[in-house]
Amino acid sequence: GDSVTQMEGPVTLSEEAFLTINCTYTATGYPSLFWYVQYPGEGLQLLLKATKADDKGSNKGFEATYRKETTSFHLEKGSVQVSDSAVYFCALKPQGLNEKLTFGTGTRLTIIP
Amino acid sequence: KAGVTQTPRYLIKTRGQQVTLSCSPISGHRSVSWYQQTPGQGLQFLFEYFSETQRNKGNFPGRFSGRQFSNSRSEMNVSTLELGDSALYLCASSFQGEVDTIYFGEGSWLTVV
Repeated sequence: GDSVTQMEGPVTLSEEAFLTINCTYTATGYPSLFWYVQYPGEGLQLLLKATKADDKGSNKGFEATYRKETTSFHLEKGSVQVSDSAVYFCALKPQGLNEKLTFGTGTRLTIIP
Repeated sequence: KAGVTQTPRYLIKTRGQQVTLSCSPISGHRSVSWYQQTPGQGLQFLFEYFSETQRNKGNFPGRFSGRQFSNSRSEMNVSTLELGDSALYLCASSFQGEVDTIYFGEGSWLTVV
């Protein structure tokens, strides 16, 4: 079945550091890939998405590229801020009319000033 | 446009009771899905409804059920509550297309005592 393997946390970085959170997946066909972010006490917010190989999703300085050859969708940001502290989830949605998301375990990110 | 709305936001129930959670999707969205989030199991898919029909179901016992109304609003019910049902229950909606984005509500926090 489909699965998502996400970098274990927690991750602690200093403000303005470079961020990478690794995500790899297993799925048949061509799934869509997502990064969601969850702030304390809140639901999930879509951060970015990519729907086909070599697509790059980007939002709020975050980027991730859909790499079919390595089945990866790593999240990056060049300069993190304290406000980026949250839990980040990588997820995939199977190809076709199927709205079931499979999530990774989440990575808790803390940015210290 | 309004986002996904879930009610109630917080509730406390006693073991053995039942609970009903409600979800109003984004206007125009026809697919509604439900997820359970716990510290131990992470985010797990419960079920998905489209046009009042259950289209997908996760691996949860029959105590967990749901339905969707003609206006796309959805409810989920958990009967005979157990302590392990304490979780954040997230509802998500999408327009329903092959590459549509799935949007989440703030969630309903259920505590079973």
